[in-house]
Amino acid sequence: DVVLTQTPPTLSATIGQSVSISCRSSQSLLHSNGNTYLHWLLQRPGQSPQLLIYLVSRLESGVPNRFSGSGSGTDFTLKISGVEAEDLGVYYCVQGTHAPDTFGAGTKLELK
Amino acid sequence: EVQLVETGGGLVQPGRSLKLSCVASGFTFNNYWMSWTRQAPGKGLEWVASITNSGGSTYYPDSVKGRFTISRDNAQNTLYLQMNSLRSEDTATYYCTRVNIHWGQGVMVTVSS
Repeated sequence: DVVLTQTPPTLSATIGQSVSISCRSSQSLLHSNGNTYLHWLLQRPGQSPQLLIYLVSRLESGVPNRFSGSGSGTDFTLKISGVEAEDLGVYYCVQGTHAPDTFGAGTKLELK
Repeated sequence: EVQLVETGGGLVQPGRSLKLSCVASGFTFNNYWMSWTRQAPGKGLEWVASITNSGGSTYYPDSVKGRFTISRDNAQNTLYLQMNSLRSEDTATYYCTRVNIHWGQGVMVTVSS
């Protein structure tokens, strides 16, 4: 199975600070159809995961544009340009290129 | 808007069975693979089962293979997870997902005597 390694495991930030989360895959996530099925989820405390970014860099409808995704192959990054209080929670990357779908271990974003 | 609503969770004794349901709306259900993913208390996300859009093929990790069965009723826009021979390590919140992109609110399953 594909292993997704997320770093850092915990991130402390102040309101307004820009932060980045890395997700590295044990193998390329480029599918033979040309798509890269790497997505980012946010799980706020007590809530279910919600989609932020899909297919590496596409912003889900309704998600603020301070969130952005980038990367290719095996290295991917989620950036938050100006953290807000509502952004606190656990961020997961998930891949759907290679069956079965696998998840990163999560990055917990906390207030400093 | 994609909506996934799970029901059927609860407290069950080890070795017993439980069936979860998920009603989908806001998209053409029979166009999509669907999955169940779970999260043990305080832990990360673990894929549990997937089913093709027609229901013709199903997939499971070794941890639940032979005990869990995923199925769907495309006429009723409903996804199911039949869980047999439940163990304490199956205790988790179970989420219905559309290819791990769109998620339901989850339903808690507690396996304990």
